[in-house]
Amino acid sequence: GENVEQHPSTLSVQEGDSAVIKCTYSDSASNYFPWYKQELGKRPQLIIDIRSNVGEKKDQRIAVTLNKTAKHFSLHITETQPEDSAVYFCAANDNTNAGKSTFGDGTTLTVKP
Amino acid sequence: NAGVTQTPKFRVLKTGQSMTLLCAQDMNHEYMYWYRQDPGMGLRLIHYSVGEGTTAKGEVPDGYNVSRLKKQNFLLGLESAAPSQTSVYFCASSYSIFGTSGGSQETQYFGPGTRLLVL
Repeated sequence: GENVEQHPSTLSVQEGDSAVIKCTYSDSASNYFPWYKQELGKRPQLIIDIRSNVGEKKDQRIAVTLNKTAKHFSLHITETQPEDSAVYFCAANDNTNAGKSTFGDGTTLTVKP
Repeated sequence: NAGVTQTPKFRVLKTGQSMTLLCAQDMNHEYMYWYRQDPGMGLRLIHYSVGEGTTAKGEVPDGYNVSRLKKQNFLLGLESAAPSQTSVYFCASSYSIFGTSGGSQETQYFGPGTRLLVL
């Protein structure tokens, strides 16, 4: 089955700096890569996603890049703000019609004011 | 539109007791999932369903059973709870791969979670 590795497990940045979280996946058939943000005590919520036919996607301060050849994808957050502090999960969907996601172990991002 | 809801929010069980967690969604999603989340770990898939009357095993199915008798509901059962099942349980639902209702297909919408403590 699919295996997703996520790094780093914790990340601390100063407000205004950029943050980068990286994930690798094992199944070359995976074709959908969502990123979720989970605030303390809350549910995971989608913040951005990318499909395998696209190399980069941007939404305001958040961007995701995908390298299919190397089987890795990354989340980039620019001009970080304290409210960006949360746990971020990457995931990879297998190429079946069940929509199942395999999640990374998460990155705890702390943005210091 | 409530989205995905879960009942109960919190529960304490003794070893060997049984319980059922209820997940309900009002978005007419075909797919539903049960995950468990443990500290320092990501979300691990327990069971999932691709439609009413269907269920399938995920990554960590042992000790759990599920049922999907109605499209909007997905039940997770623990027949004989064990301390190792102490966790936060999240339900999620998503459009089918053939969905046309807008948004991104395969995006999963999560419920608020159920915190379970087994003593």
